Amino acid sequence: KQEVTQIPAALSVPEGENLVLNCSFTDSAIYNLQWFRQDPGKGLTSLLLIQSSQREQTSGRLNASLDKSSGRSTLYIAASQPGDSATYLCYYRGSTLGRLYFGRGTQLTVWP
Amino acid sequence: GAVVSQHPSWVICKSGTSVKIECRSLDFQATTMFWYRQFPKQSLMLMATSNEGSKATYEQGVEKDKFLINHASLTLSTLTVTSAHPEDSSFYICSARTGGETGELFFGEGSRLTVL
Repeated sequence: KQEVTQIPAALSVPEGENLVLNCSFTDSAIYNLQWFRQDPGKGLTSLLLIQSSQREQTSGRLNASLDKSSGRSTLYIAASQPGDSATYLCYYRGSTLGRLYFGRGTQLTVWP
Repeated sequence: GAVVSQHPSWVICKSGTSVKIECRSLDFQATTMFWYRQFPKQSLMLMATSNEGSKATYEQGVEKDKFLINHASLTLSTLTVTSAHPEDSSFYICSARTGGETGELFFGEGSRLTVL
């Protein structure tokens, strides 16, 4: 069974902290992994996409790494801001054709 | 990034009626689109994979006669909730993938369905 686990489930931090969100998956044969954020009552916004051949991707204050051998991806958020408050979801495109796997997400609250 | 538009963003209907939700890829062609359902404080549950020009592939436990999916063109997929009941009330989200099997996923803004 292919599963995605995200830790922690919730995180509340003061503004300015550097954060680490974790995603683990059971399928070592992945095509790619993608991180999203979801604001309440909204759709998902793509943050970073890491292809199977890549180890990390960076966009602004965000950095995502991928370690296929250990089945892990980590999303780093530098100098967190209140606007970063959202639920962060990890998804990977696995080896089973057509299947998509999402974690339950990490609910992040950054307070001023 | 690519844009996926979903309409309507919210809809209220009476029990027994049918509701259609549209998902459009505005600036790219999507041979495959996906429909999800999301319950409060839960992650996305994949309902079905919509394939242009062919029948949708439904996940286990999802009633294909209840949730009709049509992918008539490379830029439009529709989800019709037939004979809706209060338990069908939920947040429905679509997504489309660019660039084939390893492409990036882009999501619509979601549609909030409330069945009275």
